[in-house]
Amino acid sequence: AQSVTQLGSHVSVSEGALVLLRCNYSSSVPPYLFWYVQYPNQGLQLLLKYTTGATLVKGINGFEAEFKKSETSFHLTKPSAHMSDAAEYFCAVTSSGAGSYQLTFGKGTKLSVIP
Amino acid sequence: EPEVTQTPSHQVTQMGQEVILRCVPISNHLYFYWYRQILGQKVEFLVSFYNNEISEKSEIFDDQFSVERPDGSNFTLKIRSTKLEDSAMYFCASRRGLDNEQYFGPGTRLTVT
Repeated sequence: AQSVTQLGSHVSVSEGALVLLRCNYSSSVPPYLFWYVQYPNQGLQLLLKYTTGATLVKGINGFEAEFKKSETSFHLTKPSAHMSDAAEYFCAVTSSGAGSYQLTFGKGTKLSVIP
Repeated sequence: EPEVTQTPSHQVTQMGQEVILRCVPISNHLYFYWYRQILGQKVEFLVSFYNNEISEKSEIFDDQFSVERPDGSNFTLKIRSTKLEDSAMYFCASRRGLDNEQYFGPGTRLTVT
């Protein structure tokens, strides 16, 4: 079975400050990890993904995440927050053990950016 | 850029009524999914579909739910007799099959009164 834990349901940062959203996963087989962003009343947009290879992955809008197997983590970072980053962020995991590669999501972290 | 589309964007129905939510996946994709998100909660997997049959389903996907790909382009989710607790945002997603990236539609907000 797979699971995702996102620490902090709500994170507030000042504009220009570092964004750090935490994600820890559980998977009995090598995982594939994703971060999605959801703006109010919109669908899910893929920010970035880790499948194999380089453990530091870069995504859209200046976000990046690092896969750390030893810590079972995939934290999302951005060096400098922008007002437009205010949204809800979901970490998700899948693997070859998930049958049809269905995604298991975390509960989400709502990011607020203070001007 | 190809995208997953869903109709309607918002559907209001009375308890006990049947609803059909429609999705048009990306044309060369082979795997199709439905997820739901109850307000304020996380996104949950409902069902996956491949080669014209269900490949996986969650505990949520009981006998009230069914999926179909009637014409090679549309992918539908039917709820036979809606309950108040079916109120949620329903997302369709598709995956090409060469990688594990799923592309999500904008969702259908279902409100059961």
